[in-house]
Amino acid sequence: EVQVVESGGGLVQPGGSLRLSCAASGFTFSGYWMSWVRQAPGKGLEWVANIKPDESEKYYVDSVKGRFTISRDNAKNSLHLQMNSLRGEDTAVYYCARDWEGAFDPWGQGTLVTVSS
Amino acid sequence: QSALTQPPSASGSPGQSVTISCTGTSSDIGGYNYVSWYQQHPGKAPKLMIYEVSKRPSGVPDRFSGSKSGNTASLTVSGLQSEDEADYYCNSYGGSNNWVFGGGTKVTVL
Repeated sequence: EVQVVESGGGLVQPGGSLRLSCAASGFTFSGYWMSWVRQAPGKGLEWVANIKPDESEKYYVDSVKGRFTISRDNAKNSLHLQMNSLRGEDTAVYYCARDWEGAFDPWGQGTLVTVSS
Repeated sequence: QSALTQPPSASGSPGQSVTISCTGTSSDIGGYNYVSWYQQHPGKAPKLMIYEVSKRPSGVPDRFSGSKSGNTASLTVSGLQSEDEADYYCNSYGGSNNWVFGGGTKVTVL
């Protein structure tokens, strides 16, 4: 079964840092772009970042540029999102997803990040 | 990059059809055939329903169909069933290695 499972969310103070992880299985992880997508409470979806299989290209939504870093470990079939200088508006469920045929599939169950003092 | 525009809500009776629109610009929907649609039930992860404008992934019922005309994409759910009640989001490639979502449409089965 093709699946991804996120972890690492939690409560963090404004200005703090958090590292999210995503474990992939059931497909050749090293052959696919991967993305992070977030959803603020009661709000819609927002694409955050993606990364090429060989890590040579990484792209971010403007609101997180310079604060978030996406990375991957193909040997461990894992994707990461290092989040620094966190703000209240970063509070959201963060989903990991495989970039597939110009879409996102599958999605994990998400991990909740809450930025609050 | 601005979000794509979707109606906040849509509804239909069981067995009827409902169509959701998703309006963008020539820089996103109008410029690429990378339009996808996602279904999200409360508290659950999004699920891919349509990709590349009109293609259905394996396992998605053929009651779900997608199309595009100019800068507007559409998702039609035919033969509405109670389990179709959910939020639906469109997504498009926006150029410059950017992806943009719509604000979401809540579909209610009356």
